[in-house]
Amino acid sequence: DTGVSQDPRHKITKRGQNVTFRCDPISEHNRLYWYRQTLGQGPEFLTYFQNEAQLEKSRLLSDRFSAERPKGSFSTLEIQRTEQGDSAMYLCASSLDFRDYEQYFGPGTRLTVT
Amino acid sequence: AQKITQTQPGMFVQEKEAVTLDCTYDTSDQSYGLFWYKQPSSGEMIFLIYQGSYDEQNATEGRYSLNFQKARKSANLVISASQLGDSAMYFCAMREGKGGGSYIPTFGRGTSLIVHP
Repeated sequence: DTGVSQDPRHKITKRGQNVTFRCDPISEHNRLYWYRQTLGQGPEFLTYFQNEAQLEKSRLLSDRFSAERPKGSFSTLEIQRTEQGDSAMYLCASSLDFRDYEQYFGPGTRLTVT
Repeated sequence: AQKITQTQPGMFVQEKEAVTLDCTYDTSDQSYGLFWYKQPSSGEMIFLIYQGSYDEQNATEGRYSLNFQKARKSANLVISASQLGDSAMYFCAMREGKGGGSYIPTFGRGTSLIVHP
């Protein structure tokens, strides 16, 4: 297995546009997480899935953000009507449910909203 | 109040020496977990070590050990025999249960470690 992959690695968009990111986890991992990281901060939890079920969603996540994991494999994170404050690194991670603290992170998608 | 506090924005250590990175946490849960991740300049987060709140022994993983002091609510990371490749950001984090097997992880702001030759 090649680890967690994310696509695209970089995205530049204009304010108001919609963007979608994709994450492919390690194949045998049933948990998948999305985080946001800004400069000088630690990762901020956004949401996570157990197989295809979205189990938790951060209260900080506005309704412009939506995530799916339709078949319990890859996941997408969509941001609608992007704002400049959405500029950040978006990280995806996966794990086994019984070792959920040991998460394997992808390289991230860097979003710049102009 | 912050759930995870890392008070050292930057630390320097000589190669082959030991270094301690501080972490304090805040929770009212009885069952929780603490863990550390490393983020090199390449960007990808790497899991280092985990300590459950009910674990009686401090966790160790190779050169990493977690100095868990429950009464003080501290979970410091000790790196022995530092190597140049240890230069990175280090994040302390906590998992708190939300019931039904669900949880939300919270990360601190991180400590930058630079290892000098």
